[in-house]
Amino acid sequence: EVQLLESGGGLVQPGGSLRLSCAASGFTFSGYAMSWVRQAPGKGLEWVSGVSASGGSTYYADSVKGRFTISRDNSKNMLFLQMNSLRAGDTALYYCVKGTTINTDWGQGTLVTVSS
Amino acid sequence: DIQMTQSPSSLSASVGDRVAITCRAGQSISSYLNWFQQKPGKAPKLLIYAASSLQSEVPPRFSGSGSGTDFTLTISSLQPEDFATYFCQQSYSSPYTFGQGTKLEIK
Repeated sequence: EVQLLESGGGLVQPGGSLRLSCAASGFTFSGYAMSWVRQAPGKGLEWVSGVSASGGSTYYADSVKGRFTISRDNSKNMLFLQMNSLRAGDTALYYCVKGTTINTDWGQGTLVTVSS
Repeated sequence: DIQMTQSPSSLSASVGDRVAITCRAGQSISSYLNWFQQKPGKAPKLLIYAASSLQSEVPPRFSGSGSGTDFTLTISSLQPEDFATYFCQQSYSSPYTFGQGTKLEIK
């Protein structure tokens, strides 16, 4: 069974940083691209970032480009999202997702709140 | 970025009804279109990928069609557990944008 367990969310002030983590299990992590998708409270889904299976290629939404960095550690089955220069508009539930073009499995999300 | 527009934004229907939700892409995306279902407090669930391929264990009352810019998700006979919000997503090019969602409510 695929399991994706996010952590690292919390309350941060505008301009601050957070690092989200996702622990993956139940599949061959190194064989799959991975993504982060977010959902602001009461709003729709926004694709944030993706990374290839090897980690060699990364992709970002324009709204986070230059501020967020996606990475992975295939030896530890871990996905990360480094978020810098956070804004109120980044407040959302952040989902770790298996795949980039076909998102078959989702974690339960970790909540990031950007507020002073 | 490719804009995805769903219609309607909300829909009221009864158990047993046949319903259709449409999704329009701002440019041709061939068949690179996914559909998700999301229930309150839960993560989205993949229903359809590549416009018309049914994800494993998804009931066959769900079907997808379309190519190019216009796509449709059809539920042939609504069941009580189908009342949820539905999102389309293009997987043609990064960023892989979503539609704004269609909330399906009980009439």
